[in-house]
Amino acid sequence: AQSVTQPDIHITVSEGASLELRCNYSYGATPYLFWYVQSPGQGLQLLLKYFSGDTLVQGIKGFEAEFKRSQSSFNLRKPSVHWSDAAEYFCAVLTGGGNKLTFGTGTQLKVEL
Amino acid sequence: DSGVTQTPKHLITATGQRVTLRCSPRSGDLSVYWYQQSLDQGLQFLIQYYNGEERAKGNILERFSAQQFPDLHSELNLSSLELGDSALYFCASSSAGGSYNEQFFGPGTRLTVL
Repeated sequence: AQSVTQPDIHITVSEGASLELRCNYSYGATPYLFWYVQSPGQGLQLLLKYFSGDTLVQGIKGFEAEFKRSQSSFNLRKPSVHWSDAAEYFCAVLTGGGNKLTFGTGTQLKVEL
Repeated sequence: DSGVTQTPKHLITATGQRVTLRCSPRSGDLSVYWYQQSLDQGLQFLIQYYNGEERAKGNILERFSAQQFPDLHSELNLSSLELGDSALYFCASSSAGGSYNEQFFGPGTRLTVL
């Protein structure tokens, strides 16, 4: 069955430090991968997506992610974190013939000033 | 702002009751998806409609039903509510029916069952 694993439930970083959030997927076919961010009391905002092509994708708010097929990973990175990046981050894969998103359990990011 | 609207924003009701959540997709989008976010189950896909027809079904309880109307707005009906139905319900929309398009999420409806 298709699944997404986010091994880190909570991560704390200092403002200005670099960030990497891990995501591993299990999916037999070519994966269509996404990272969403959810701020407290808010909906889900798309940060970036990978459908095909260049394995390093750029997103909004200075985020990027790298697709590594050999490792079944799609890790999210940011070189310098801002306090406003504190939120919950979800990795997801599009499955079911392109109909449904299967989400990971999320990583809660805390930013220390 | 994704362009997807959901009403109401908050809903508080009692066990055994029935509620209706409403979603209006982005202009031009034909597909509507419903997701449930709860503490114990995380984010789960419930159901998808495309241009009025049910297209895909996920972990949706039999007490729950949905429909999409000719103007493309959708409603999720939850009946015989239980405490465990308390969750954040998201609607998302996309332009196509299943050809791997990104989904745009609304702000959600927070349902509290007392």
